[in-house]
Amino acid sequence: AQKVTQAQTEISVVEKEDVTLDCVYETRDTTYYLFWYKQPPSGELVFLIRRNSFDEQNEISGRYSWNFQKSTSSFNFTITASQVVDSAVYFCALSEAKGYSTLTFGKGTMLLVSP
Amino acid sequence: DAMVIQNPRYQVTQFGKPVTLSCSQTLNHNVMYWYQQKSSQAPKLLFHYYDKDFNNEADTPDNFQSRRPNTSFCFLDIRSPGLGDAAMYLCATSLPGTDTQYFGPGTRLTVL
Repeated sequence: AQKVTQAQTEISVVEKEDVTLDCVYETRDTTYYLFWYKQPPSGELVFLIRRNSFDEQNEISGRYSWNFQKSTSSFNFTITASQVVDSAVYFCALSEAKGYSTLTFGKGTMLLVSP
Repeated sequence: DAMVIQNPRYQVTQFGKPVTLSCSQTLNHNVMYWYQQKSSQAPKLLFHYYDKDFNNEADTPDNFQSRRPNTSFCFLDIRSPGLGDAAMYLCATSLPGTDTQYFGPGTRLTVL
């Protein structure tokens, strides 16, 4: 069975601080996908990134970066120079990558960025 | 341009009065999903369609039904809403082989 753990329930930072959201996963599959979604107060889940289990390269997109480490089963998300607009709930998710698969979500981390 | 559209954005119904939520997509994706999300919780998958094939999650109550008349549209019917069914309902779509799901803005259901 698959499992995603986001141990941080809520994080509060001041604008311009860097912040890292942790994600640890469990799976018996050798091929899988990892995802991050952002859910702002409006409620829509916004896709941020998908990472294939065979690709351990770190990814950077603007102020966002992701660190995937199979050795520790982690897929952490860092926001550099946080902004108030980054305030949201962030979900890490896992899928089996078998044609089409459903997502196993973590419980989410609420990020509050204050001015 | 909106890709996954949900109507209405807010729905108020009375206890026991049937309600239908709708979802449409312009992505032409084969797979459509319905999730229920309660406050401070992760989305919970209710069911999904792969084209016309319906897949119900084992713990989805019988009170929840779904219809997919064509590729673009999918409906969630709640036959007799209870107070515990008040939640955000999210629709998503995906293409086989990618698993990436694209979500609509959600419908927030209130049961009085």
